[in-house]
Amino acid sequence: IQLTQSPSSLSASVGDSITITCRSSQNIATYVHWFQQKPGKAPQLLIHDTSSLQSGVPSRFSGGGYGTEFTLTIVNFQPDDFATYFCQHSYETPFSFGPGTTVDVK
Amino acid sequence: QVQLKQSRTELKAPGASVTVSCQASGYRFTSVDINWVRQTTGQGLEWMGSVTPITGNTVTAQIFEGRVTMTRDTATSTAYMELTSLKLDDTAVYFCATCSGGSCYLGHWGQGTQVTVSS
Repeated sequence: IQLTQSPSSLSASVGDSITITCRSSQNIATYVHWFQQKPGKAPQLLIHDTSSLQSGVPSRFSGGGYGTEFTLTIVNFQPDDFATYFCQHSYETPFSFGPGTTVDVK
Repeated sequence: QVQLKQSRTELKAPGASVTVSCQASGYRFTSVDINWVRQTTGQGLEWMGSVTPITGNTVTAQIFEGRVTMTRDTATSTAYMELTSLKLDDTAVYFCATCSGGSCYLGHWGQGTQVTVSS
């Protein structure tokens, strides 16, 4: 199963709303999870099972979709949100990750 | 709280082997699978496989079959990943991560171990 993400990069300002899209090469139901990664750090889980917010993650993060198209939306973008975002599926092994979307300063 | 503490940076020659350890704390070690993921500049994040601590059973990604061995020591709550016949493009940061929930989302991660393969 191949995952693609769009865009590969985007620029944002504090207060903006952004959406990142993840597409799968086959139907993976809701077995998609989203991570945030900052340089030199491990990925951090934001959203699991398409739309469930991980404990401790701010409510400005949300996820949606089903089957082959999924989205991660961040509203009221904050300075701490500049990072790279990855989607990942766990529908079957081998699990795989999208190539990432880097969000930088506009 | 759940913590996964990984072993230190490694520098290896091509053809050598490396073992990365992942010591778990803050939860019952035998209750969840441990996954191994690596991150390279060229290939991004790659899932390598997983080990079920209570049984020792493993699932390995086909691209790593024959080169990766995943084991665990329940007495010390530690998981191990050995990668053999190292190549230059095995240079990466290697992470362990717990498998959570029915869908096995990667809820907690180790800090990562840099493995550099260089002649």
